[in-house]
Amino acid sequence: DAGVTQSPTHLIKTRGQHVTLRCSPISGHKSVSWYQQVLGQGPQFIFQYYEKEERGRGNFPDRFSARQFPNYSSELNVNALLLGDSALYLCASSLESALEAFFGQGTRLTVV
Amino acid sequence: KQEVTQIPAALSVPEGENLVLNCSFTDSAIYNLQWFRQDPGKGLTSLLLIQSSQREQTSGRLNASLDKSSGRSTLYIAASQPGDSATYLCAVYSSASKIIFGSGTRLSIRP
Repeated sequence: DAGVTQSPTHLIKTRGQHVTLRCSPISGHKSVSWYQQVLGQGPQFIFQYYEKEERGRGNFPDRFSARQFPNYSSELNVNALLLGDSALYLCASSLESALEAFFGQGTRLTVV
Repeated sequence: KQEVTQIPAALSVPEGENLVLNCSFTDSAIYNLQWFRQDPGKGLTSLLLIQSSQREQTSGRLNASLDKSSGRSTLYIAASQPGDSATYLCAVYSSASKIIFGSGTRLSIRP
């Protein structure tokens, strides 16, 4: 069975640009969450979506947005990129909210 | 506000030793607690998940305990091996939608 898949695995963007990261959950999972992990720290919660509705939002600026599609895949969008947005972005899926989360391998974003 | 702390931040031990990694959290109202392993530049590998009604979980050489009343969890690794070298993250399911992570313990096992 395929796990959580994220694309792309790596990308480099310039300050001020926009980026879209994608996540496909495990088949049957309806909940998708996004986390940002900067070097040397634990992951920080950005968003959770369940059944295509936002169920939770972390302390991130409005430059960060997300959505979930009818097939439960998800996109994370970041506008007006800053150097500080350079991080590993992790997606997690679960059957339902509060049940065990399964993480993808992440997208490494570098902003130059 | 839930806060998760992991001590120590880094640990180096010789191969074969048994060791304990510590995690503390400030709010005992949690759903689950999960331990992850992360290799450099990689994603998260789940090690053990303890539900709020459980007190411990075991998998091979790993044992994780949970004491909600004191806000503590420990990860016990028996007979450590060089392949155990990685960062270990403690994660608390603080609400139905949010997981709070500690900053991790960077473990190095010396051959």
